Amino acid sequence: DSGVTQTPKHLITATGQRVTLRCSPRSGDLSVYWYQQSLDQGLQFLIQYYNGEERAKGNILERFSAQQFPDLHSELNLSSLELGDSALYFCASSVGSGGIPYEQYFGPGTRLTVT
Amino acid sequence: AQTVTQSQPEMSVQEAETVTLSCTYDTSESDYYLFWYKQPPSRQMILVIRQEAYKQQNATENRFSVNFQKAAKSFSLKISDSQLGDAAMYFCAYRWSSGDKLTFGTGTRLAVRP
Repeated sequence: DSGVTQTPKHLITATGQRVTLRCSPRSGDLSVYWYQQSLDQGLQFLIQYYNGEERAKGNILERFSAQQFPDLHSELNLSSLELGDSALYFCASSVGSGGIPYEQYFGPGTRLTVT
Repeated sequence: AQTVTQSQPEMSVQEAETVTLSCTYDTSESDYYLFWYKQPPSRQMILVIRQEAYKQQNATENRFSVNFQKAAKSFSLKISDSQLGDAAMYFCAYRWSSGDKLTFGTGTRLAVRP
């Protein structure tokens, strides 16, 4: 158990819908990362927040957005869902950001299926 | 842009034997970190081992060790005394030392034969 929690574990929804994925980082970790794992794109970095502020952006679609709240949990919002958004979405957390050899600890993931 | 390449989609090893998984990467940076992550059927991503580019000594963690060749931009993972529980997808990953995002390879699926 990494200490990172993600809810829900599974999500099945229809095209065009909107969903919210939730992540709670390990105690003491300030950084939260979102990654997408799909069959055709592999594991891709989406976005990072550090202590409530957006720190880095990767291949995140405009239909997707995220935020980190004062209690440091994070939510990833996916809207106007398409079949191709079906994937495993991972949240990871770390104590710091840049410059030091910290580890990123991954949550168990949320499996999103768009039908 | 940094890229990570794992050229072996699948590997197989006999239980108790040794296997080496390959990874190459491309970067113009001199200071970075390299990682191997394991993803078992449960889908959990588990950190196996980490290597700092400024360290010449290869990292080891119990039965897992790496062969880091900085000039060749090569970072292979050796698993000794393979166990059935080692069966998983293994991902090589890169992170620039001043950045945060992990760039992953496409993974190598390791099967362990009893």
